[in-house]
Amino acid sequence: DGGITQSPKYLFRKEGQNVTLSCEQNLNHDAMYWYRQDPGQGLRLIYYSQIVNDFQKGDIAEGYSVSREKKESFPLTVTSAQKNPTAFYLCASSPNSDTQYFGPGTRLTVL
Amino acid sequence: SQQGEEDPQALSIQEGENATMNCSYKTSINNLQWYRQNSGRGLVHLILIRSNEREKHSGRLRVTLDTSKKSSSLLITASRAADTASYFCAGVGSARQLTFGSGTQLTVLP
Repeated sequence: DGGITQSPKYLFRKEGQNVTLSCEQNLNHDAMYWYRQDPGQGLRLIYYSQIVNDFQKGDIAEGYSVSREKKESFPLTVTSAQKNPTAFYLCASSPNSDTQYFGPGTRLTVL
Repeated sequence: SQQGEEDPQALSIQEGENATMNCSYKTSINNLQWYRQNSGRGLVHLILIRSNEREKHSGRLRVTLDTSKKSSSLLITASRAADTASYFCAGVGSARQLTFGSGTQLTVLP
């Protein structure tokens, strides 16, 4: 099956810990994106990558880091520097045609 | 900053009625897209309208775009209970990034 997957679906973290969210796609898309969604809100762009080994900060990159070593993978690390990390995180990919295809999301809760 | 703002924030209608959602945006766009999100899930792309188009149809969906007013509307005709979801507009500018509004929560009552 072709698609974009995120794991885990739910993630719990203690304050002060770093945590990495997985995003994998087998759609052969060049571009990948990470968004954060808070309750009752729209999506805000954290980081994006238009090609392997290159990525750019979005609107709310502080406290997050990414890597793009492979075309299929774009993991997001939520660091201890992120002051309010509890949120729903969505990954997307695009064949550079503007339309984006979203994964099912990871809900991160900081205890 | 968010590109689009949807109106209303919440809409509740009876099955079979039409649902209209509006979106306003702030800066110039190349295209505007509408996405749907079921509770706790990812977003699904519904329809894209380019800046040189005024109206577009896809099944029960009708989208209009008025670039002079920087606004768009999404009409869902003959709504069904399964249409219950949040609907987001997203503008795409020269940087080819999506900038989302805060969404309209649509509830279709059986």
